[in-house]
Amino acid sequence: DTGVSQDPRHKITKRGQNVTFRCDPISEHNRLYWYRQTLGQGPEFLTYFQNEAQLEKSRLLSDRFSAERPKGSFSTLEIQRTEQGDSAMYLCASSRGDSNQPQHFGDGTRLSIL
Amino acid sequence: AQSVTQPDIHITVSEGASLELRCNYSYGATPYLFWYVQSPGQGLQLLLKYFSGDTLVQGIKGFEAEFKRSQSSFNLRKPSVHWSDAAEYFCAVVPSGTYKYIFGTGTRLKVLA
Repeated sequence: DTGVSQDPRHKITKRGQNVTFRCDPISEHNRLYWYRQTLGQGPEFLTYFQNEAQLEKSRLLSDRFSAERPKGSFSTLEIQRTEQGDSAMYLCASSRGDSNQPQHFGDGTRLSIL
Repeated sequence: AQSVTQPDIHITVSEGASLELRCNYSYGATPYLFWYVQSPGQGLQLLLKYFSGDTLVQGIKGFEAEFKRSQSSFNLRKPSVHWSDAAEYFCAVVPSGTYKYIFGTGTRLKVLA
């Protein structure tokens, strides 16, 4: 169990640029989740995958956001035309398939928009 | 509306003192309940979870939590706090029929030497 890995840990970019984050889940976990956490708040759900299928998306996930998990292993989260309000910590988590299995979180990618 | 409430934004305790962090939820059916801890710049670490059965659950680092259905609460406790417990604590629920976490806004714990 090597844990959930996220890359990069920090990303600084100018407004209007596109950014992509990567998440590698724990290898035997078939569920993968993305959350966004702003300063002083708890994480907010964005989307989740079961294997390669994206099963739920939050209203927070505007059309500038897209997530993929092409082979049911790692996942990417892309933000197009970044805005100041996108500055946040983006957390990835994974879990086994049973509904009562806890999610294991990575250390997150902190995005700063200049 | 469905929600998770952590009424205490900040709590300060002296090292060795007892601790209780409050969490209330508003969902029709009993959800799955979790407590996580987050150190600055880090991800979230699971402390404990409740699904069913014994309403007093034990977790890591000497933490425990008690589920009270009548109060829709899942409060976290520790009998003697250590300086290394200083962090932010999040209560989370998974409403029945979903897989996503709904988090509270967190309680930041400060420990005085």
